[in-house]
Amino acid sequence: AAGVIQSPRHLIKEKRETATLKCYPIPRHDTVYWYQQGPGQDPQFLISFYEKMQSDKGSIPDRFSAQQFSDYHSELNMSSLELGDSALYFCASSLRQTETQYFGPGTRLLVL
Amino acid sequence: AQTVTQSQPEMSVQEAETVTLSCTYDTSESDYYLFWYKQPPSRQMILVIRQEAYKQQNATENRFSVNFQKAAKSFSLKISDSQLGDAAMYFCAYNFGNEKLTFGTGTRLTIIP
Repeated sequence: AAGVIQSPRHLIKEKRETATLKCYPIPRHDTVYWYQQGPGQDPQFLISFYEKMQSDKGSIPDRFSAQQFSDYHSELNMSSLELGDSALYFCASSLRQTETQYFGPGTRLLVL
Repeated sequence: AQTVTQSQPEMSVQEAETVTLSCTYDTSESDYYLFWYKQPPSRQMILVIRQEAYKQQNATENRFSVNFQKAAKSFSLKISDSQLGDAAMYFCAYNFGNEKLTFGTGTRLTIIP
């Protein structure tokens, strides 16, 4: 079965640079969620989209923005990167009425 | 706000034995969903099992089963016939109304050969 695809899988950036993370949900899934997982921590919710509209927002810094496109893929844009942004970023997708989120493999971001 | 608590940071079990991981949560809602996710060393988040709060019957998936006690707000995971591949971090998670998942802090499970 098709899974959630995230790219890139690994990313190394310098401080103050920008990064764009991409997420391709499972086909027919209409909702996308972004989570950030720091070392030794549980995943923290950043933002979600349903049918291309932002549906919920968590502890996402103002330096970050995201959107969902007409083909349902989503991008997380991160600017003015800081050392503390180094983390594993997960995208998850769901079919709204099923309530179950399936996670992609994650993007490991390292900010130097 | 909803909270999820996992009071066992680490657990270990002998291969082929049974282990139970604990989870409690706090919510004022009556219809919600609970999940157990597994995160092996690869750090992929893998769905293990889910439970709908309106169902009294405990969910089962092969060797994995839950003990859902709605009144006590408890949701434990039992792993039977533990295998080496079960070694991972296990996260309990809560979800209401297609919103974000709220995770516990996780329990690291070690399988002893």
